[in-house]
Amino acid sequence: EAGVTQSPTHLIKTRGQQATLRCSPISGHTSVYWYQQALGLGLQFLLWYDEGEERNRGNFPPRFSGRQFPNYSSELNVNALELEDSALYLCASSLIVGLAHEQYFGPGTRLTVT
Amino acid sequence: AQSVTQLGSHVSVSEGALVLLRCNYSSSVPPYLFWYVQYPNQGLQLLLKYTSAATLVKGINGFEAEFKKSETSFHLTKPSAHMSDAAEYFCAVSDLSGGSYIPTFGRGTSLIVHP
Repeated sequence: EAGVTQSPTHLIKTRGQQATLRCSPISGHTSVYWYQQALGLGLQFLLWYDEGEERNRGNFPPRFSGRQFPNYSSELNVNALELEDSALYLCASSLIVGLAHEQYFGPGTRLTVT
Repeated sequence: AQSVTQLGSHVSVSEGALVLLRCNYSSSVPPYLFWYVQYPNQGLQLLLKYTSAATLVKGINGFEAEFKKSETSFHLTKPSAHMSDAAEYFCAVSDLSGGSYIPTFGRGTSLIVHP
């Protein structure tokens, strides 16, 4: 069974540009989550999509946005990039069983803003 | 609101020694609890989870964790460390206090294993 995949592996952008990150969930999973992992800060929750709709959003500015497609894949868009957006962006998918969000993570996209 | 505290950003052990990684949580309702491991340049892999069944939870790679409600703790242990256990470990808590059961993660503990 294929795991969660993310592309690209690495992305280098200049301050003020836009970045688009992509994620494909495990087959059969309908929920996709995005996290930002900055050095020393652990995982910060960004967005949760389920069945094509945004279900929850973390404490990030509106320039962080995304969407989920009919095949449940997802993309994260970051507009007006700032230097502090440099981080590892992790995507996870889950099949919610009961109330527990048991998440399976991709390898991440390393975004560097210069 | 739920929160997670992992005591010690770095834990160093010798190969063959006991591994103990500490996690304390705050939650106003019975939570779900998770431990994940992250190897260099990889995503997070689920080690084990507590979902209100047995309080002692066994996971992959010989790890286990015990849910102690009175201490609000969910410490991760392994009797004998291997070199391959060197990685970053994250504890996560999930309850409905934030409006959904999306997990909140601790800042992580880096496990260093010496030969």
